[in-house]
Amino acid sequence: AQSVAQPEDQVNVAEGNPLTVKCTYSVSGNPYLFWYVQYPNRGLQFLLKYITGDNLVKGSYGFEAEFNKSQTSFHLKKPSALVSDSALYFCAAEGGFKTIFGAGTRLFVKA
Amino acid sequence: DGGITQSPKYLFRKEGQNVTLSCEQNLNHDAMYWYRQDPGQGLRLIYYSQIVNDFQKGDIAEGYSVSREKKESFPLTVTSAQKNPTAFYLCASSMDLFLPGAEAFFGQGTRLTVV
Repeated sequence: AQSVAQPEDQVNVAEGNPLTVKCTYSVSGNPYLFWYVQYPNRGLQFLLKYITGDNLVKGSYGFEAEFNKSQTSFHLKKPSALVSDSALYFCAAEGGFKTIFGAGTRLFVKA
Repeated sequence: DGGITQSPKYLFRKEGQNVTLSCEQNLNHDAMYWYRQDPGQGLRLIYYSQIVNDFQKGDIAEGYSVSREKKESFPLTVTSAQKNPTAFYLCASSMDLFLPGAEAFFGQGTRLTVV
């Protein structure tokens, strides 16, 4: 079965430190991978996606993600976290015309 | 501004009632989706539609119904057959269901509570 796993329910990081939110996937064929962010009581906002090409993808608000085919991972990263980055982050993978979402990881950035 | 509008933001349903959640988009997207979000479970697909007058069941369609009479509109009805409807409902659209790698645009969500 196709799936997306986000192994951490919550990630805590101090402002100014680098952050990583982990994601692994299991989909058939070439994966199309996405990261979305959700602020409280709001819809999801698209951050970035991997289709093909360079394994390091840059997106909105200074976020980037690294695609690793051998580890079937697509971790979200940011060199220097901001308090305003605190939100719920979803990894998603496209498989068979359907998008499969992970359970989400709550990022808490402490000032 | 282009986007997706969901209404109402908050909705309360009595036992045995049907309620309808509105979703309108002005992005000229072909594909539209309804997701249900529960804490710790991510998003689960309820229904999706690629064209007017055509829609497909997602993973958790039981107790829900939809219509797609206009390209811009994709309302979701939560029927009395849905035994646990309390959740946050998200409507989304994308350019084309069959366009690989097309990101989704989401509405602000409707929080439905059974009272």
